[in-house]
Amino acid sequence: DTEVTQTPKHLVMGMTNKKSLKCEQHMGHRAMYWYKQKAKKPPELMFVYSYEKLSINESVPSRFSPECPNSSLLNLHLHALQPEDSALYLCASSQGDGGPSTDTQYFGPGTRLTVL
Amino acid sequence: GQQVMQIPQYQHVQEGEDFTTYCNSSTTLSNIQWYKQRPGGHPVFLIQLVKSGEVKKQKRLTFQFGEAKKNSSLHITATQTTDVGTYFCAGPRLGTYKYIFGTGTRLKVLA
Repeated sequence: DTEVTQTPKHLVMGMTNKKSLKCEQHMGHRAMYWYKQKAKKPPELMFVYSYEKLSINESVPSRFSPECPNSSLLNLHLHALQPEDSALYLCASSQGDGGPSTDTQYFGPGTRLTVL
Repeated sequence: GQQVMQIPQYQHVQEGEDFTTYCNSSTTLSNIQWYKQRPGGHPVFLIQLVKSGEVKKQKRLTFQFGEAKKNSSLHITATQTTDVGTYFCAGPRLGTYKYIFGTGTRLKVLA
């Protein structure tokens, strides 16, 4: 089973709202990722968690706050977003315990976020 | 910063024609992964290449990883309408889990 699930599928929020995106995997993967993808662009890495600890933050604004409550779950908390933050937010996971040379990422279906 | 470029950006082919997309990284990659993203979908893993000079085949798809581990190619023989989508290469910067995606090649197949 190589499934990564994400909820919700779609989210519309105002600039003053607080919302959260959720991601779950049950493959025993130890690395989890958040990506942002704008239309007709490649995914851009936002955060990487390795063994439930934040290991990479690609200079993401503080209005995006990641959280990894356990090895299967990854959240992205959203607060005071801007319209330009509207995008597809993708979660991915990889085995993360054999080193990056042989690691493979598996993506969830994404959450399509619209900020009004 | 590190960049991964793909060419061409777009490709329209007649069904049955061949298609190739090239991926070039400004830095060495630990491995290269290829993904296909259908319109409205998410990236779906196709294959991973780890060794320099590696060649792998999946039915009509042939993947190569360059000797210097900085470039790669995907070749599709006799395209079908089901091949439509955007093909991305991606790889982690050497020694890290910092994945960088290529700019993508959007393929349209005309029946």
